[in-house]
Amino acid sequence: EAGVAQSPRYKIIEKRQSVAFWCNPISGHATLYWYQQILGQGPKLLIQFQNNGVVDDSQLPKDRFSAERLKGVDSTLKIQPAKLEDSAVYLCASSGGWGETQYFGPGTRLLVL
Amino acid sequence: DAKTTQPPSMDCAEGRAANLPCNHSTISGNEYVYWYRQIHSQGPQYIIHGLKNNETNEMASLIITEDRKSSTLILPHATLRDTAVYYCIVISTGANNLFFGTGTRLTVIP
Repeated sequence: EAGVAQSPRYKIIEKRQSVAFWCNPISGHATLYWYQQILGQGPKLLIQFQNNGVVDDSQLPKDRFSAERLKGVDSTLKIQPAKLEDSAVYLCASSGGWGETQYFGPGTRLLVL
Repeated sequence: DAKTTQPPSMDCAEGRAANLPCNHSTISGNEYVYWYRQIHSQGPQYIIHGLKNNETNEMASLIITEDRKSSTLILPHATLRDTAVYYCIVISTGANNLFFGTGTRLTVIP
C-alpha cells in the first residue's frame, strides 16, 4: 500500500513570496491533516479535512495560510505571503476515518530567507 | 486530552531492549495511548497504540500499568535504525488532534 505522498520535499523562498505544498493521502482515506513542525519541536496541527470539508482550522493563521481539498482526495496548503517564522517542515497525514490512526508523509521542508 | 511526560533523552546498546517510559497520570477512561517515532528528516511513523491491555505488534510492545497512569514502549532488540525521537500521545476516542510534545530522543549505540 502506497503511503502519503508530498511534494516538493524542499523549498527555499524569500519572505513575502508565495509557496504551495501538495499532498496525496493514502488511497481511500477520508480524513486529511496538515501539521507544521518548527525545528526542535513536535508537529502542531494546522487544519484537518473530512472528505472535502474543513473540520478544524482553528490553528491555521488564516491571514496568510490557506488549504483546500476540492475533490476530497489531494490537498494543497498555501502560504501567501511567507514570513521568516514560517520556516518549518510541513507534514501531511491521513487516516481512514474520524479518530482512526494517522499516517504521515515525509514532509516538505520550507526555508524562508 | 491528558498531557504526557517523557524523559528528554535515552541511550540503548544495539541488540538490547529499549524501554521508553511515559507518564500520563491525568489520563481519563476513554483516552488511548499512542506511540509515534520520527527518524531524522522523515515524517512521524506510527508504532502502536492501546487503551487498557498490553499490546504487541511487529515493531514493539506497549505495556500500560493497571491504573493507566503510565506506560512503557519496548523495542525488544534495538538496532541503529531505531535511533529517533519517540512521542507518547494521549488522545480521546474519536478525537483527531495529536499533541506531540517534545518526546524522547533515543540513541542506539553500536
